[in-house]
Amino acid sequence: GESVGLHLPTLSVQEGDNSIINCAYSNSASDYFIWYKQESGKGPQFIIDIRSNMDKRQGQRVTVLLNKTVKHLSLQIAATQPGDSAVYFCAENSGTYKYIFGTGTRLKVLA
Amino acid sequence: SAVISQKPSRDICQRGTSLTIQCQVDSQVTMMFWYRQQPGQSLTLIATANQGSEATYESGFVIDKFPISRPNLTFSTLTVSNMSPEDSSIYLCSVEGGPNYGYTFGSGTRLTVV
Repeated sequence: GESVGLHLPTLSVQEGDNSIINCAYSNSASDYFIWYKQESGKGPQFIIDIRSNMDKRQGQRVTVLLNKTVKHLSLQIAATQPGDSAVYFCAENSGTYKYIFGTGTRLKVLA
Repeated sequence: SAVISQKPSRDICQRGTSLTIQCQVDSQVTMMFWYRQQPGQSLTLIATANQGSEATYESGFVIDKFPISRPNLTFSTLTVSNMSPEDSSIYLCSVEGGPNYGYTFGSGTRLTVV
């Protein structure tokens, strides 16, 4: 199927290894952040979120880290699986209904 | 979170024509959002559609090019008018997913203009 990540930065990870996807956000006033996963042919899917009063949040196999000092967000995926192959976007929100999406990273899981 | 049905899922259109994309939500929502995702790019908000009022467009997007309807609390359409190859993109409908869900997106419409 058609990929949305043809020209995006690509991270290649061996199956079973941990993945770290990074995102630099733009607005120091942003107080809510989301990571989305977009598989080929599908819309973005919510993975995990974090508010600015936290610096770490864990989900199932995923962890989001927030460093407000340098406006940096990261998504860690433990024991990466073939089903994790997708494009990952971070999104930031500063209290309105609008979200600003990052440029995205394509994760490629090698068997 | 809400379930969104979007159609068509893809289309190939001739330049100069128009395409209307439909978005149906399984629950009533106040705000619906239309995004564009150009090839290899991130998501850009086109407009916000509220029921009973005109859509609010973001900078760079105008109503004549992207007219939007919002006849009720579960449905919206986006029309891409007078299409050119530069309009080839994925168009996505989304709604607020509720607490701890951010936005919920439809599966998108993949438009190719030839």
